[in-house]
Amino acid sequence: EPEVTQTPSHQVTQMGQEVILRCVPISNHLYFYWYRQILGQKVEFLVSFYNNEISEKSEIFDDQFSVERPDGSNFTLKIRSTKLEDSAMYFCASSEDSRPLAEAFFGQGTRLTVV
Amino acid sequence: EDQVTQSPEALRLQEGESSSLNCSYTVSGLRGLFWYRQDPGKGPEFLFTLYSAGEEKEKERLKATLTKKESFLHITAPKPEDSATYLCAVKPETSGSRLTFGEGTQLTVNP
Repeated sequence: EPEVTQTPSHQVTQMGQEVILRCVPISNHLYFYWYRQILGQKVEFLVSFYNNEISEKSEIFDDQFSVERPDGSNFTLKIRSTKLEDSAMYFCASSEDSRPLAEAFFGQGTRLTVV
Repeated sequence: EDQVTQSPEALRLQEGESSSLNCSYTVSGLRGLFWYRQDPGKGPEFLFTLYSAGEEKEKERLKATLTKKESFLHITAPKPEDSATYLCAVKPETSGSRLTFGEGTQLTVNP
């Protein structure tokens, strides 16, 4: 069964460093997303991406964050100058299209720990 | 502001003891309501999509229903492997394709 793949599963970084989280969405999907979940809190939307550009972003997704689709299969989230409060699980998701009822399929997540 | 509230926060059941989880929502207009299952340390796993009031979807021991204000996830004769956090999410009309999640209900089914 097709699945969304994320690497690494766990990343530890020093405060102020840059990290890149990687995702391989499901191959025929066109819409890609990043969500995050701080420990014990709800899953929060960060950004959606379609046709090589950001289609929507939340207030969390400020200049510290950027996304890129560097090739035909990968989708990355870059976090510059990480802060302690960036520690969270980051989930990549993809959907086939933008129909209202199109379900998003999530990866297993990258646990980011900023120390 | 769009809001999703799930109750209860946690639920303990004995194997075979049926129950329901609630998701109430306040949105400007609903494009879709989604149920996901999340196991510890894992990503949300898609279960159901609902759109119209009165709609019902079933999968094994789970049945999801939708009204104009809330959705229920009914669990019939649960098994220990149904233990997980169940997440409700909405896609409001104003949101594009983003999902707004509730806090989830942590379900534990004891053998």
